[in-house]
Amino acid sequence: AQSVTQLGSHVSVSEGALVLLRCNYSSSVPPYLFWYVQYPNQGLQLLLKYTTGATLVKGINGFEAEFKKSETSFHLTKPSAHMSDAAEYFCAVSGERLAFGKGNQVVVIP
Amino acid sequence: KAGVTQTPRYLIKTRGQQVTLSCSPISGHRSVSWYQQTPGQGLQFLFEYFSETQRNKGNFPGRFSGRQFSNSRSEMNVSTLELGDSALYLCASSFHLAGSTDTQYFGPGTRLTVL
Repeated sequence: AQSVTQLGSHVSVSEGALVLLRCNYSSSVPPYLFWYVQYPNQGLQLLLKYTTGATLVKGINGFEAEFKKSETSFHLTKPSAHMSDAAEYFCAVSGERLAFGKGNQVVVIP
Repeated sequence: KAGVTQTPRYLIKTRGQQVTLSCSPISGHRSVSWYQQTPGQGLQFLFEYFSETQRNKGNFPGRFSGRQFSNSRSEMNVSTLELGDSALYLCASSFHLAGSTDTQYFGPGTRLTVL
């Protein structure tokens, strides 16, 4: 069964600094990978996804992620954090169901 | 295009009661999945319905059940509520089954509190 690991439940980043959220996956088949964001009292919103093709995927709000098969990773980055990036971020892998990681709560420090 | 809607948004029940939550998917979507989100366990898959049939089920007791109607709207029911059932219940819709490349679109959730 597919699974995802996200380390560090809480991530603090200074405004203007790099945002880096790590995601490692386990999958017996070529994976479909997703990053979702959840703002308080809201559902999940898709940031970006990888299916096939280009391994560097660009998403909304300036986020991007790179699929590295050799490292079984799909880390999410944003060059410069903004206050509005404070939210919870989930990595997910698609198999017979969508399996989510535990999430990263991102705090942006002014 | 209207997004996924869930009703009600907030619900307070007492132990032993039962509850029904409703989800209306995006028009044209045939798959509806349900998830339970809690601070301790994170996002856990409950079940997926596609064309009125349950296609996949997570590791939850039989107190949790669901159904899907011909218009793709879905309901989930929890009987004999326990304190531990307090959670945010999210539903998500997609055109194809969840294991595809399709994006799942999430509703805002129903916040269930069991007293």
